[in-house]
Amino acid sequence: GAGVSQSPSNKVTEKGKDVELRCDPISGHTALYWYRQSLGQGLEFLIYFQGNSAPDKSGLPSDRFSAERTGGSVSTLTIQRTQQEDSAVYLCASSLGRFDQGAFFGQGTRLTVV
Amino acid sequence: AQSVTQLGSHVSVSEGALVLLRCNYSSSVPPYLFWYVQYPNQGLQLLLKYTTGATLVKGINGFEAEFKKSETSFHLTKPSAHMSDAAEYFCAVSLPRGGGADGLTFGKGTHLIIQP
Repeated sequence: GAGVSQSPSNKVTEKGKDVELRCDPISGHTALYWYRQSLGQGLEFLIYFQGNSAPDKSGLPSDRFSAERTGGSVSTLTIQRTQQEDSAVYLCASSLGRFDQGAFFGQGTRLTVV
Repeated sequence: AQSVTQLGSHVSVSEGALVLLRCNYSSSVPPYLFWYVQYPNQGLQLLLKYTTGATLVKGINGFEAEFKKSETSFHLTKPSAHMSDAAEYFCAVSLPRGGGADGLTFGKGTHLIIQP
């Protein structure tokens, strides 16, 4: 597609359930980022994929969070046993892998844990 | 590692007035600098970027920013605010090499309010 696509756009889940958030990056972009944006907060880095290298998971807040990127393209962010503090907008971005290009963002998935 | 500080979580200006959003960074090497805008319920859109060369960079929607190494600043300006400029603005920094969390670090954002 022309841009970064995220699905679903909105997700309401019950506390304790698992959720999967999907990101389709721009074709040909080797770098993919996940960020979390909470109300009144900036963007919190979660995880970064670059080509075939091992992902940088240093931003994941707990072991309930994990992410995969299959075939160097689509990525899935999984949150297990969701908690209310996980409620946020989860943003995915992709770039050509060169940091001077900046990154292109999807519209995000708004996750609400009730 | 690098960091970004945006002064003022909220900035309010009158329509037609100058917009000035402040961003200061810290970095061990000359960084790449970016401004992103986020309209309500949307993702982030790249406004402009500085990598090398001319220190005054122009972006979309009439915005520009100047890289001042001596002040470690990259403030965003627009001569005349429009109602459609109301949004959240994020300054970001990255290093010319490296990856992971150092790849793209964001400030906490500034909410721009335009008064009619």
